[in-house]
Amino acid sequence: GENVEQHPSTLSVQEGDSAVIKCTYSDSASNYFPWYKQELGKRPQLIIDIRSNVGEKKDQRIAVTLNKTAKHFSLHITETQPEDSAVYFCAPKSGAAGNKLTFGGGTRVLVKP
Amino acid sequence: DAMVIQNPRYQVTQFGKPVTLSCSQTLNHNVMYWYQQKSSQAPKLLFHYYDKDFNNEADTPDNFQSRRPNTSFCFLDIRSPGLGDAAMYLCATSRGSIGEKDELFGQGTRLTVV
Repeated sequence: GENVEQHPSTLSVQEGDSAVIKCTYSDSASNYFPWYKQELGKRPQLIIDIRSNVGEKKDQRIAVTLNKTAKHFSLHITETQPEDSAVYFCAPKSGAAGNKLTFGGGTRVLVKP
Repeated sequence: DAMVIQNPRYQVTQFGKPVTLSCSQTLNHNVMYWYQQKSSQAPKLLFHYYDKDFNNEADTPDNFQSRRPNTSFCFLDIRSPGLGDAAMYLCATSRGSIGEKDELFGQGTRLTVV
């Protein structure tokens, strides 16, 4: 099955700085790469995703970059704000693996005012 | 306009007493998933239905079962809850096509076992 790792597991940044989280995966058949944000006590919410035929996608302050050759993709948050504090999960999906999301271990991001 | 609804939001059950959690969706999605999420951990997939086809994860304990009587509803049954089953249970739905930006989660049911 798919092995997914996220780094770092915790990330503390000063408000206004950038944050980068990296996700590595093992299944070369993975072709959909979402990032979820989960605030304390709430459901995971999709914040950005990318498909295997695209290398980079940006949505305001967040972006995702994909390197299929190296089997990793990254979440970039610029100009961080206190409301960006949450746990972020990558969850690559592969049709060969039964069309299931496989979650990484999560990254706890703390944005200090 | 909630699209994936889980009931109840909070459930307290006694050790060993069967409990059922409910999920409904108004999206007509083909796939419904159940995840277990323990504190400070990632969601862990228990099983999912693609239409009526049931797919169990290899490491899901036999204590957990699921039913999907129709497209809109899916239930998680825990036959004999133990203290280790206390967790947030998340339901999610999807159209089921690869690359669809549509795996939507319900608000979750937090299960406490006493």
